[in-house]
Amino acid sequence: NAGVTQTPKFQVLKTGQSMTLQCAQDMNHNSMYWYRQDPGMGLRLIYYSASEGTTDKGEVPNGYNVSRLNKREFSLRLESAAPSQTSVYFCAVQPGGSSYNEQFFGPGTRLTVL
Amino acid sequence: QKEVEQNSGPLSVPEGAIASLNCTYSDRGSQSFFWYRQYSGKSPELIMSIYSNGDKEDGRFTAQLNKASQYVSLLIRDSQPSDSATYLCAVFPHPLNNAGNMLTFGGGTRLMVKP
Repeated sequence: NAGVTQTPKFQVLKTGQSMTLQCAQDMNHNSMYWYRQDPGMGLRLIYYSASEGTTDKGEVPNGYNVSRLNKREFSLRLESAAPSQTSVYFCAVQPGGSSYNEQFFGPGTRLTVL
Repeated sequence: QKEVEQNSGPLSVPEGAIASLNCTYSDRGSQSFFWYRQYSGKSPELIMSIYSNGDKEDGRFTAQLNKASQYVSLLIRDSQPSDSATYLCAVFPHPLNNAGNMLTFGGGTRLMVKP
């Protein structure tokens, strides 16, 4: 998965519980992204980080927070999980300085909220 | 109207045939176009990128871009059962419409190659 790791691979939460999804890259890329993928909805961007210390909202940010404390790691936090957040979550990276805008994905985290 | 449209399929082709996958997009200023392959339960894998009008070939895959008609397609020659997957089209909109360097994805087309 192009040097992108995600933990955990699977998680089951109860409504109202909190958790943090972790993403780490070993390629020193500037840009990192969090997506969710739901049946029939495709990939939707939750948050992104263009560089260390900066984050911005994507298409569906409500109910999530993110943190980019260093260049390598970008975490996604659910403060109070809801069944609507049941999804597969993918982290992606985009090579810094590239004019071609490819993104490369991690293996994903499958989250179920009961 | 979604910004990137794909037929959800499934598209069923016999082994050895040519599979043709299509994608249309709404932002006329879009600059970069990508095809990802996603096997069931796995993450998207980049298989083709195309940036200028015309064809780009890589092995059994050919990407075709027509900016005037705002469509991009992927042809898979000599289709194999191992090509059975969902194919996602992704577009990088014009920078004026894309402050965060974000890709816009279509919903994907499921391809089934039957032996």
